[in-house]
Amino acid sequence: KNEVEQSPQNLTAQEGEFITINCSYSVGISALHWLQQHPGGGIVSLFMLSSGKKKHGRLIATINIQEKHSSLHITASHPRDSAVYICAVRSRGYGGSQGNLIFGKGTKLSVKP
Amino acid sequence: KAGVTQTPRYLIKTRGQQVTLSCSPISGHRSVSWYQQTPGQGLQFLFEYFSETQRNKGNFPGRFSGRQFSNSRSEMNVSTLELGDSALYLCASSLRDWGFKQFFGPGTRLTVL
Repeated sequence: KNEVEQSPQNLTAQEGEFITINCSYSVGISALHWLQQHPGGGIVSLFMLSSGKKKHGRLIATINIQEKHSSLHITASHPRDSAVYICAVRSRGYGGSQGNLIFGKGTKLSVKP
Repeated sequence: KAGVTQTPRYLIKTRGQQVTLSCSPISGHRSVSWYQQTPGQGLQFLFEYFSETQRNKGNFPGRFSGRQFSNSRSEMNVSTLELGDSALYLCASSLRDWGFKQFFGPGTRLTVL
């Protein structure tokens, strides 16, 4: 079982729909990041979370540390949101050190006009 | 402010050769991380450097090595290339570590024939 699991793997939506992408992890973490990768490879960091909720424009990210779960929501989706969304966690190392970076396999989102 | 740059952008090598990839971080950023991305394995963490010190290393063989210079520029080297090393190699920089926003470079596409 992967230490970071994302669902769904693929998602097709109509323009304007509300979208949710989920990320569950099994390790203790110090931080969780949501990344966006467009065709061609460029990666953009959307959010860094260690607790609570963050909002940027139409994007909202939440994290529940007790349940080891994070969600990325896109309101009023648009074709330009079509991309792969990747969840990444920084595991907590021993003795307060920083552990490794672990990535989910990504969720491929396609928003149709 | 200039973004993260990686050189070269594309590279074709043959098995057994070695390769050096370069990453120039955003000015003022002291942390550089390297990642390998393949269709089968997704994103995988290679190394993390901060102020010329390797802070963390992923689960890759010793053929993969890296370093960071005093100006924060970083290089990674892969010796004795194998077909399976064909991948997109990405670097990211941040002010200090993954507790801060990550800025990704465009990547180097390595093909091993």
